[in-house]
Amino acid sequence: SQQGEEDPQALSIQEGENATMNCSYKTSINNLQWYRQNSGRGLVHLILIRSNEREKHSGRLRVTLDTSKKSSSLLITASRAADTASYFCATDEVSNYQLIWGAGTKLIIKP
Amino acid sequence: DTGVSQDPRHKITKRGQNVTFRCDPISEHNRLYWYRQTLGQGPEFLTYFQNEAQLEKSRLLSDRFSAERPKGSFSTLEIQRTEQGDSAMYLCASSLLVNDEQFFGPGTRLTVL
Repeated sequence: SQQGEEDPQALSIQEGENATMNCSYKTSINNLQWYRQNSGRGLVHLILIRSNEREKHSGRLRVTLDTSKKSSSLLITASRAADTASYFCATDEVSNYQLIWGAGTKLIIKP
Repeated sequence: DTGVSQDPRHKITKRGQNVTFRCDPISEHNRLYWYRQTLGQGPEFLTYFQNEAQLEKSRLLSDRFSAERPKGSFSTLEIQRTEQGDSAMYLCASSLLVNDEQFFGPGTRLTVL
C-alpha cells in the first residue's frame, strides 16, 4: 500500500518559474525523502528530512516538513528544462523497515 | 562507477516460466532492498536484507517470489511460474543505514507474454 500521496499529479510550468509539490502521509515517521526519476537516470535521491526537522535546503531545493499535518512540500526554484521528471516522496515508518512511496508528481518544464 | 547494478536490464518471458534477476549493491552497503514499479506508480516495497538476513517481506511477495543474498553481497530475486501481472520494473537499492538515502540501480524491466 502507498502511504505518501503527492499533489498535484502533474505540473507544467515555464522555465525559470518555481515548482512546488506536496506530499501527505498517514503514520508516524522517522524521516521523509524526496526522489527524482527520469528515463535517463532512474531514481535519484534528492533530500532527506528527519522528523525533528522542519526545513532543509539543498541547492535550488527547499523541503519543509509539518509532522502535525503529516505533510511535506518540495520547492524547486528557478526551474530548468533538466528538472523535467517525476518526483516521489517516500516515508520511513517508525514501525518497520519499509520506505513507503507515493505515486509521484510529474513535472514538465517548458522552455 | 561503482553504483548499484542490475542484470538483466530487460527480460521477456512466457507465462509460466521462471525468471531470476541479479542485483549488485554498492560494496560497502550492507542494506539491500527490492521494489517493484508499474507505470505511473511509485515503487512498491518487496523485501529488505541486512547483510545476508532477510528482515522484512511485503505481503506483495507471494510464494512464487523468493529473494536471497547468500553472502551478504549480491542478491537475486526469482519469480516462479510467471504471470502477466508480474510485468513491471524491478528495482534494487542499497544503503549504508536502514531507510537512509537509498541508491537505486537502473532496474530490470520484465515483460510476461
